[in-house]
Amino acid sequence: NAGVTQTPKFQVLKTGQSMTLQCAQDMNHNSMYWYRQDPGMGLRLIYYSASEGTTDKGEVPNGYNVSRLNKREFSLRLESAAPSQTSVYFCATHLGVSGTGYYEQYFGPGTRLTVT
Amino acid sequence: GQQVMQIPQYQHVQEGEDFTTYCNSSTTLSNIQWYKQRPGGHPVFLIQLVKSGEVKKQKRLTFQFGEAKKNSSLHITATQTTDVGTYFCAGTYSGAGSYQLTFGKGTKLSVIP
Repeated sequence: NAGVTQTPKFQVLKTGQSMTLQCAQDMNHNSMYWYRQDPGMGLRLIYYSASEGTTDKGEVPNGYNVSRLNKREFSLRLESAAPSQTSVYFCATHLGVSGTGYYEQYFGPGTRLTVT
Repeated sequence: GQQVMQIPQYQHVQEGEDFTTYCNSSTTLSNIQWYKQRPGGHPVFLIQLVKSGEVKKQKRLTFQFGEAKKNSSLHITATQTTDVGTYFCAGTYSGAGSYQLTFGKGTKLSVIP
């Protein structure tokens, strides 16, 4: 099992360019998440998808769009990249055990994006 | 919005010394999780605490959840170089959608051999 995979691993964009970050999981989890990580800022939630066909905004959604293509895939799109979007982007899935309150998140390896 | 404060931001210890990181929320948490991120890597789940006053141990790591469910700590006994990384707490609040986690900013641990 690959777990959570992300492509690309590295990307350099110029201001105004667009791109889509891809995330796929083979763990059959319902919920998926996109975070960004900036130095000294921890992880901040951009968007999440509780299940196939649904998406919701997180803490920092401005400048981003998402698509939950199917249960496996959750993509993040930057329509017009800005230098402030230079960051490391992590996709994650959620494993919950029904009725127990127990859950954990599994993270992908990340995409390191630089916008010049 | 909800915030989880985590201190210290950095900690340098001599190998063999103990290490503690603390998280605090102004409002009650449903539960709290801890993650470790190695340099250049991704966050990896360590543990979840749910009950008031809960204490859990994993070898040299001890995790505590406060009685009021507003604070938590991670204590590492006799640090080793393999403990290097950034430790994050992440809390969930009642009513938060789909198990949204609010992360602290992390404590970066350096271990001097």
